[in-house]
Amino acid sequence: AQTVTQSQPEMSVQEAETVTLSCTYDTSESDYYLFWYKQPPSRQMILVIRQEAYKQQNATENRFSVNFQKAAKSFSLKISDSQLGDAAMYFCAYRVGETSGSRLTFGEGTQLTVNP
Amino acid sequence: EAQVTQNPRYLITVTGKKLTVTCSQNMNHEYMSWYRQDPGLGLRQIYYSMNVEVTDKGDVPEGYKVSRKEKRNFPLILESPSPNQTSLYFCASSPSGFYNSPLHFGNGTRLTVT
Repeated sequence: AQTVTQSQPEMSVQEAETVTLSCTYDTSESDYYLFWYKQPPSRQMILVIRQEAYKQQNATENRFSVNFQKAAKSFSLKISDSQLGDAAMYFCAYRVGETSGSRLTFGEGTQLTVNP
Repeated sequence: EAQVTQNPRYLITVTGKKLTVTCSQNMNHEYMSWYRQDPGLGLRQIYYSMNVEVTDKGDVPEGYKVSRKEKRNFPLILESPSPNQTSLYFCASSPSGFYNSPLHFGNGTRLTVT
C-alpha cells in the first residue's frame, strides 16, 4: 500500500525558533512529487513547498526548507524563524502519475502551535 | 481571481436525503478530484476526473457519485447520505494529471449527516 506517515500529531515551537516536522512515505512508483500543505483554522489548503523526487537538491521557499532523503523515503519540513502565522495543521503528501490516478496521498497531519 | 469554488460551505442533513456539493474552477484545469478529511486520517481521495466525461474511483468511493459534463464543474453527489459520511470535503483541481502539478483546493464543505 502507498502510505504517508507523520509520526508527530502535535508539535510546538517558540516564536522565532526553528522546528522540524517529520514525514516518511512508501510508494512503489519511481516518479513522483512530494508536497507540504498548510491548513490554518480557516481550513484552506495552502501549498507550502514541493520537491521533485528525481532531484537530490533540497527545495527551499523563504523560511521553509525540506530535507529529502530518497533512499530512506523521508521528507521533513523545517520552518525557520517561526511566526505566529505559521500555526496550522501541516500535511505531507506525494503525487504519482496518471497510471495510478494522479492521486495526492496525504499523511495524518501535524498540528503546529507557535508560542509567543 | 483563479480559484476553486465549492458550495455550500456548511451543510447539515438527515440520513437518506440526497444532496449535491458543487465544485467549479475557473482555471481551465483538466484534472479535478474530491477528497474527504477526517481526524487522524488526513485527506483521502473519493473520485477523480482526468478530463470531461472521464471519471474514476479513488480510495474511498463507496456512497458517492460524480459527473464531469463540463470542464469547469465536478459535483459530488450523495444519493443516500449516512452518518459515516459526516466529514470535511475538499474539491481540488490541477492543470493536468501529471504528478508535478500541485493541486489547487477549494475552501471545503463541512457536512454533517444526522
